[in-house]
Amino acid sequence: DVKVTQSSRYLVKRTGEKVFLECVQDMDHENMFWYRQDPGLGLRLIYFSYDVKMKEKGDIPEGYSVSREKKERFSLILESASTNQTSMYLCAILVRGNTEAFFGQGTRLTVV
Amino acid sequence: GNSVTQMEGPVTLSEEAFLTINCTYTATGYPSLFWYVQYPGEGLQLLLKATKADDKGSNKGFEATYRKETTSFHLEKGSVQVSDSAVYFCALIIYGNNRLAFGKGNQVVVIP
Repeated sequence: DVKVTQSSRYLVKRTGEKVFLECVQDMDHENMFWYRQDPGLGLRLIYFSYDVKMKEKGDIPEGYSVSREKKERFSLILESASTNQTSMYLCAILVRGNTEAFFGQGTRLTVV
Repeated sequence: GNSVTQMEGPVTLSEEAFLTINCTYTATGYPSLFWYVQYPGEGLQLLLKATKADDKGSNKGFEATYRKETTSFHLEKGSVQVSDSAVYFCALIIYGNNRLAFGKGNQVVVIP
């Protein structure tokens, strides 16, 4: 079975803090994604990576960066958290020959 | 570009009622189509998929047919249960593009 693990289910951080959200997969999948989910806006793509040290901006990359030093781990970084980054963050990978997405459980981040 | 449009607004209905959620898409190539479901506090799970025109995806009593002529992939269930209360997302992927496009999602509330 595919497994995508996000390091935290719930996080509360202060404005201005540097925040790391981790996503780990247990297979050798190349494509990994970070989305944020907000009511009425659906899922919006922040960044994605198609291989180690490779990354591409999604639709809303401002205020975020990513790191992929190993194939199984894709980190989302909020350099200086702000209250408008309060959201649900979802990590996903592509499986079955890149024809289907598999999601982690999500991290609900609150920035106060 | 590639995009998915879902009908506006939440859906509230009584147990055993018939459910339809509309989904239409625009795509530059030949997409695979998906419905994902998100139960409260969880990540997204694949509900069903269809990879070519006239395919019907089905799972847990839900069905959707890939209609190329109307660029649609409407989700239906004949008799909903309270446990079907969730958010439902329509999505597509173009093979080789490796990016999913999501609709904004529909909150479904089933009342006993």
